[in-house]
Amino acid sequence: DGGITQSPKYLFRKEGQNVTLSCEQNLNHDAMYWYRQDPGQGLRLIYYSQIVNDFQKGDIAEGYSVSREKKESFPLTVTSAQKNPTAFYLCASSNREGNSPLHFGNGTRLTVT
Amino acid sequence: SQKIEQNSEALNIQEGKTATLTCNYTNYSPAYLQWYRQDPGRGPVFLLLIRENEKEKRKERLKVTFDTTLKQSLFHITASQPADSATYLCAFRGSSNTGKLIFGQGTTLQVKP
Repeated sequence: DGGITQSPKYLFRKEGQNVTLSCEQNLNHDAMYWYRQDPGQGLRLIYYSQIVNDFQKGDIAEGYSVSREKKESFPLTVTSAQKNPTAFYLCASSNREGNSPLHFGNGTRLTVT
Repeated sequence: SQKIEQNSEALNIQEGKTATLTCNYTNYSPAYLQWYRQDPGRGPVFLLLIRENEKEKRKERLKVTFDTTLKQSLFHITASQPADSATYLCAFRGSSNTGKLIFGQGTTLQVKP
């Protein structure tokens, strides 16, 4: 059953700690994305990758880092430099064709206190 | 900058009526628009794509229109049901052809029995 898996569903961290969110897909998609969702603000793009070993910053990349060593995996690290890390994080994947829809995971809700 | 705007106020309608959601965009002429449905605590799910040369697209009880003159897309759900209650997001790819998908903030639909 193909899909995109994010883990864990809920994550709690203390301020000042780095934390890594997992995202795995078995859809054979080249492109992968990380979005952040806050109430009333819609989805904002953090990072995206169109091919293995390459990625680009989105609109709000500061305080985040990613890697794309394998086609199936696109982990996101929320660093201590991110000023407001508490949010709902969504990972997605798609084919590289311009009109391809995104397939989303079910998100990780990160709470930093 | 390229922007998408959706009505941030929730839309409340009675079961059986037609729900109409609006998506307006500025500073760009996208070749197509995508519509997604998002349930609370879940990732968005792709519903429909409409191209700029298509005035209307239908899928079961869903209908999407695309008016490039008004820079607007309308999303209709006919014979609405309580199960249609969700947040609906519209999106388009930005002009840089980098694969970046820009989302509106979504409109929450509540269908009352």
